[in-house]
Amino acid sequence: SQQGEEDPQALSIQEGENATMNCSYKTSINNLQWYRQNSGRGLVHLILIRSNEREKHSGRLRVTLDTSKKSSSLLITASRAADTASYFCATDEETSGSRLTFGEGTQLTVNP
Amino acid sequence: NAGVMQNPRHLVRRRGQEARLRCSPMKGHSHVYWYRQLPEEGLKFMVYLQKENIIDESGMPKERFSAEFPKEGPSILRIQQVVRGDSAAYFCASSLLAAGYTFGSGTRLTVV
Repeated sequence: SQQGEEDPQALSIQEGENATMNCSYKTSINNLQWYRQNSGRGLVHLILIRSNEREKHSGRLRVTLDTSKKSSSLLITASRAADTASYFCATDEETSGSRLTFGEGTQLTVNP
Repeated sequence: NAGVMQNPRHLVRRRGQEARLRCSPMKGHSHVYWYRQLPEEGLKFMVYLQKENIIDESGMPKERFSAEFPKEGPSILRIQQVVRGDSAAYFCASSLLAAGYTFGSGTRLTVV
């Protein structure tokens, strides 16, 4: 398995519900980032959490990081149809020289 | 600030031709990264460059692929003698201090 694995692979919810996506990784990291990608588009940076942080908020987004379990979660509250996209976690590993290692992504569908 | 500019947005090449993908980093950014995304997959690191230097090319295929970031002008990812398996989205990102990436919108290469 790879560094930065997300689960679930796909998630379908109704508008207004919360969406939780998880990411696991294998090595020591400097930080972990979450990105969003609409179909056929580029990546949009959502949030960065450093290895010494446990939780971070940005609007309707909440990210947690558990370095002992090498896992992170992204929570989107009060989801909207416009949140439909693929969500990727990416780790900046301590030994990587600042390149990012991406997971395979979670495809989120928010139904109106 | 125009962000990271990639061109072309879409590129179609016949097998055996050359593909040249361009990336202009954000103003003032001296670190450039190239990533490749195959359909339904996450991004995979290819190469990390600073002006006139290749810092990390551990993700580059050994043959046919090369990258440069000259003192003046954009970074170029060059793929010689393209094959169908090279069809993918190629993303460039830039940063100021090897942290805090900004991604471009990508170049979608189709090899026919």
